[in-house]
Amino acid sequence: GEDVEQSLFLSVREGDSSVINCTYTDSSSTYLYWYKQEPGAGLQLLTYIFSNMDMKQDQRLTVLLNKKDKHLSLRIADTQTGDSAIYFCAERPSGSARQLTFGSGTQLTVLP
Amino acid sequence: EPEVTQTPSHQVTQMGQEVILRCVPISNHLYFYWYRQILGQKVEFLVSFYNNEISEKSEIFDDQFSVERPDGSNFTLKIRSTKLEDSAMYFCASSEIRTGDSNQPQHFGDGTRLSIL
Repeated sequence: GEDVEQSLFLSVREGDSSVINCTYTDSSSTYLYWYKQEPGAGLQLLTYIFSNMDMKQDQRLTVLLNKKDKHLSLRIADTQTGDSAIYFCAERPSGSARQLTFGSGTQLTVLP
Repeated sequence: EPEVTQTPSHQVTQMGQEVILRCVPISNHLYFYWYRQILGQKVEFLVSFYNNEISEKSEIFDDQFSVERPDGSNFTLKIRSTKLEDSAMYFCASSEIRTGDSNQPQHFGDGTRLSIL
C-alpha cells in the first residue's frame, strides 16, 4: 500500500531556510500536499503540487518534486519563530479516490 | 476565511458507551471526511462521504462506526460501543466539488480529542 515517510525533527536558526523532506511510494500519486499543525490546532493546508510539476513557489514557501525518486520537499525561506510547528506531507492517489495518506510529520523548531 | 468547526474539543467517555462527534463543514463544500490520529502515530483516513452516502472507507471504519449528515450543516461520526483503542484525535475535513478540476484540497477542523476510560 501507499506509504509516506518524513524525518521526525528539524531545528533551524531564525532567519535561516528550513528544508523539510518527504518520500512516498505510490507512483500513481496525483497531488501532494503540505499541511501545518500548530499546538492544539488542526491541519492547516499550506500548499500543494500536481505530479506533473517540478516546482511551485508561494511567497516564502517552495515545493520541489522529484517524481523519479518520489521525493518531495518544502523549503521555508527566512524561517521565523511563528513557523515552529509540525509539518505533514500527504499524498492523494490517482483515480477517483480522495483519501489522503499522511507522513508522520516533521517537528520544526526555530531557535532565536 | 471559512472554517471547518468540530465539537466538542475534548470528549471523555466510558468504554462501551456510544459517542457522537460533530462537525460543521465549510458551507459550499460537498465532500466530507473523517480522519483520526492516535497519539504518536500518523493521521489515518477513516471515511469520505458525498451525496448522502459513503464514498470510500478504510479498514479501520468497521461496523462500530457510522457517519451521517442529519441536516444541511452537520456531519457526524458515531462510534457505537467505544473501545480503549478508539482513543485518538478525530479530524473532520471538507472539500469542494468543481467540474473538471479533481484537485480540491481538503480543509481540516481543529479536531476532537476522544479519551476512552
